[in-house]
Amino acid sequence: AQTVTQSQPEMSVQEAETVTLSCTYDTSESDYYLFWYKQPPSRQMILVIRQEAYKQQNATENRFSVNFQKAAKSFSLKISDSQLGDAAMYFCAYRRRFNAGNMLTFGGGTRLMVKP
Amino acid sequence: DAGVTQSPTHLIKTRGQQVTLRCSPISGHKSVSWYQQVLGQGPQFIFQYYEKEERGRGNFPDRFSARQFPNYSSELNVNALLLGDSALYLCASSLGNTAVGDYNEQFFGPGTRLTVL
Repeated sequence: AQTVTQSQPEMSVQEAETVTLSCTYDTSESDYYLFWYKQPPSRQMILVIRQEAYKQQNATENRFSVNFQKAAKSFSLKISDSQLGDAAMYFCAYRRRFNAGNMLTFGGGTRLMVKP
Repeated sequence: DAGVTQSPTHLIKTRGQQVTLRCSPISGHKSVSWYQQVLGQGPQFIFQYYEKEERGRGNFPDRFSARQFPNYSSELNVNALLLGDSALYLCASSLGNTAVGDYNEQFFGPGTRLTVL
């Protein structure tokens, strides 16, 4: 079974600074997707960024980028130029690429606080 | 375009009762998945339905059941409620299934907060 672990229950960052959230996962599969989701107080889960395991290049979406280390099974999220609106719960998630339907396996989450 | 909608927003039940939660996917989406998110934890997969058939089931007891209707909306039913069923129930929709490896982004609804007393 796949597991996803987020070892940082809470993180804090000053507005306009950079912060990195950590995630490790365990799988015997070689082909999969990794995701970072944001869940603000409104509760709606929003996709931040996606990484395909077969791609060596790290994904980037505007201020958000990942550091994907497949051999180490590590997948961290870097938020640059942090904004007050970035404050939320962040969840790392895993999904097999084949024969998994749409099943996502989530980590326990990291609460990000942004200080003005 | 409307996103994924869920009803009701909040629900309070007592132990032993039964509850039905509803989800309407984004127009054109044929797959619906359900997740349970206990307070302070990440969501856990319960079910996936695609074209009205169950395509995946998580590690949940038989008290949990679901179905998908011809218009692709879905209901999640939980019987014999326990205190531990108190959680946020999230519904997610996507265009299709991913059995062949194609990527289908899942879009989440705002959830239904269930409290069992």
